Amino acid sequence: DIVLTQSPGTLSLSPGERATLSCRASQSVSSSYLAWYQQTPGQAPRLLIYGASNRATGIPDRFSGSGSGTDFTLTITRLEPEDFAVYFCQHYGYSRFTFGQGTKLEIK
Amino acid sequence: QVQLQESGPGLVKPSETLSLTCTVSGDSITTFYWSWIRQPPGKGLEWIGYLYNTGSNNYNPSLKSRATISGDTSKNQFSLKLTSVTAADTAVYYCARMKWLLYFDSWGQGTLVTVSS
Repeated sequence: DIVLTQSPGTLSLSPGERATLSCRASQSVSSSYLAWYQQTPGQAPRLLIYGASNRATGIPDRFSGSGSGTDFTLTITRLEPEDFAVYFCQHYGYSRFTFGQGTKLEIK
Repeated sequence: QVQLQESGPGLVKPSETLSLTCTVSGDSITTFYWSWIRQPPGKGLEWIGYLYNTGSNNYNPSLKSRATISGDTSKNQFSLKLTSVTAADTAVYYCARMKWLLYFDSWGQGTLVTVSS
């Protein structure tokens, strides 16, 4: 099974700063099958990025995704107050979906 | 725009069967893939399984064949049954759509199911 490990577990930053979140796969995966989600308290996850680097409909361009192989990154430039949330990466492979454990982005 | 809404009992007794329904509007369950995902309180996300074309399924092996997902095209709903539940099955259960077998692009708001006697 492919395991996704996200780091850091918690990231403390201030509005206006840049956030860099990491998702590492236990083996090389196709970037086509890598997605990122944002979850705010009490809400369902929201798709941000698919295919490792493609923004979903309506997602602001301050969100970007990159990476390949085993290492993927979600970058948020110029943090807005509404960006403080939990972020999950997700992969599809071997007929199953797996999620990372999440990174909590909190206000410093 | 597609909308999904989960419904079902919020409390289930240990060893019994958890049953949830997802009502879909703005799209047909005969197209695309329709999934269930759960999230224990304060924890991460776990994919349960999906339904495709109302007759094809795939499930997370970790659930050891306890899950069944079926569809009702007359009501445009799909359902989850999870047998022999324990406290470990306590979670918020989400239904979600996949246009392609890659990612979940639309989600329901989620429903909390607690397993307790």
